[in-house]
This record gives sequence, structure tokens and C-alpha cells, in this order.
Amino acid sequence: EVQLVESGGGLVQPGGSLRLSCAASGFTFSNYWMHWVRQAPGKGLVWVSRINSDGSSTNYADSVKGRFTISRDNAKNTLYLQMNSLGAEDTAVYYCVRGGPVDYWGQGTLVTVSS
Amino acid sequence: QAVVTQEPSLTVSPGGTVTLTCASSTGTVTSGHYPYWFQQKPGQAPRTLIYETSNKYSWTPARFSGSLLGGKAALTLSGAQPEDEAEYYCFLSYGGVRPVFGGGTKLTVL
Repeated sequence: EVQLVESGGGLVQPGGSLRLSCAASGFTFSNYWMHWVRQAPGKGLVWVSRINSDGSSTNYADSVKGRFTISRDNAKNTLYLQMNSLGAEDTAVYYCVRGGPVDYWGQGTLVTVSS
Repeated sequence: QAVVTQEPSLTVSPGGTVTLTCASSTGTVTSGHYPYWFQQKPGQAPRTLIYETSNKYSWTPARFSGSLLGGKAALTLSGAQPEDEAEYYCFLSYGGVRPVFGGGTKLTVL
């Protein structure tokens, strides 16, 4: 059974940093592209970033480019999102999503940016 | 960045048929945008229903179908059930680099 379990969310002050993790199981993680998608409270889905299967290629939404870094450790079956210079607009549930094609979603982890 | 537009809300009667659409600010939506459709119920993570215009997953109910219609991507629900009441999002890929979600359609079954 494919499982994606996000962790690392929480409360962080404006300007702070946080690293999200997504533990994958039930499939050969190293064969798949992976995405991060976020959803602010009461709002719609927003694509954040994606990474190819071996980690050599990444893409970002304009709103996070230069502040967020997506990475992966295929030996640990884990996807990461390093988030720096966080602002209130980054408050959201962050979902880990399997790609190629997009199919499975994790349950999400909530990031709250507030003083 | 392109803007993807969906109907904010639609209502369908139980057993009825409804079509949700997904338009691109850049023009006609084609199969090259690899349209996706997702369903999200309150308090739950999204679930992928349709990928690459019209392909279904094993968990996609047969009453859902995807297509291109009038220059837009479309999701048709035939024989609506109460459990289909949800928010539906489309997703288009632009040059395979930065995909964009639509704003979502709140579907009411009433």
C-alpha cells in the first residue's frame, strides 16, 4: 500500500525556517518524481515544487523560488522541503504528492507562520 | 504566470449530470496541458480522479469522466451521488515546468 506521511510542520515566527519531511513507503521511491502542494486555510490548492526521481532536477513556484528548497534521499525513501524566510503567506497545510503521473497524496502537515 | 479558471460553484440533483470546466488564460486547453482533476472533501486530503485529460485510476468511480470541451478541460459527473458533494480542482501543466491549479469548484448535490 502506498503511503506518504508528512512531518515537521508547526508554529514558526516570521522570518524563520522549517524543514518538512515526507516518508514514503509501499513503492519504489527512487522511481518517481515527487511534488509539494500547499493549501492555506479555507483556500485552494497551490503547487509549490517538484523534484525528479534522482534529485537532479527541481522546479519551484515563483512565490517560493529562492526561499524554499526541495530535496530527497532515495536511500531513506524521504522527500524534504526546506523553507526559509517564512512569511504569513506561507501558512498552509503542505501535502507531499507522488508524481509521474500525479496519483497519491499524503495527509498533510500544517505550517503556521505567526508571531 | 498563467491563470486557470473554474466555476466557483455548481449544483446538481441526485442522479443528474453536471460538467465542470477548466480554462486557461493562455488560450485553448489541449492534451499537452496534461489536465488533471482532483476531489477534496472537507477535512480530507485531495484525491486524484483523472489524469492527462481522461485517464482514470482504479479508485475513480465510473460516473466521472474527463475530456476536452470547447477549448477547456472538462470533468463530467453522470448520475451524481450525495457522496460526490465536494470541492473539485483542475491542474494544468505549462511547458512541463510549473503546473497551475484552478481555484476550485464547490459542487453541491441537492
